[in-house]
Amino acid sequence: QKEVEQNSGPLSVPEGAIASLNCTYSDRGSQSFFWYRQYSGKSPELIMSIYSNGDKEDGRFTAQLNKASQYVSLLIRDSQPSDSATYLCAVTGAGNQFYFGTGTSLTVIP
Amino acid sequence: GAGVSQTPSNKVTEKGKYVELRCDPISGHTALYWYRQSLGQGPEFLIYFQGTGAADDSGLPNDRFFAVRPEGSVSTLKIQRTERGDSAVYLCASSLWRSYNEQFFGPGTRLTVL
Repeated sequence: QKEVEQNSGPLSVPEGAIASLNCTYSDRGSQSFFWYRQYSGKSPELIMSIYSNGDKEDGRFTAQLNKASQYVSLLIRDSQPSDSATYLCAVTGAGNQFYFGTGTSLTVIP
Repeated sequence: GAGVSQTPSNKVTEKGKYVELRCDPISGHTALYWYRQSLGQGPEFLIYFQGTGAADDSGLPNDRFFAVRPEGSVSTLKIQRTERGDSAVYLCASSLWRSYNEQFFGPGTRLTVL
């Protein structure tokens, strides 16, 4: 079983819609959770971090964490074509390692 | 301020050769990480430094891979006897130890082994 699992997509949403990205993780001891955005040919860019159960909002982005279900999600409201990218979920494991999922490819259709 | 920088941006080498990849972290960041990313995959952890020491090198695939950070700032990833399967983008990231591991990535080095 992989440490972090994501649906690879591709996920397509129309401009202005809500995009919902999901991630599950296997290590119940994980404490830190992150969403990175990666444009094609570029390096990952941190967009959200979340450490406690519940929701965390930052502009059009909302991260949701449920440690009991080992589930973390990212909602993007009012999706824009510039949001088209691969979204990587990352989870901190033992020894300060980061485990990344394989990423979900998002396309926002104008 | 300046972000994480990596050199070279591209490296093409022949099978069996030795290569060095350099990472210059964000000033003041004590933690430094190396990852490898293949096409269509997420970054794969290789090694993590806290200061000068390798705190966790469990991700290094074999003994051909080695990394150093002698002064606690710049790090070099060294690959001996390169193989075609080593071709990937090598990413470096750094973080403040106290910032709950928010990592900031450099632009990466694309390594191609012919």
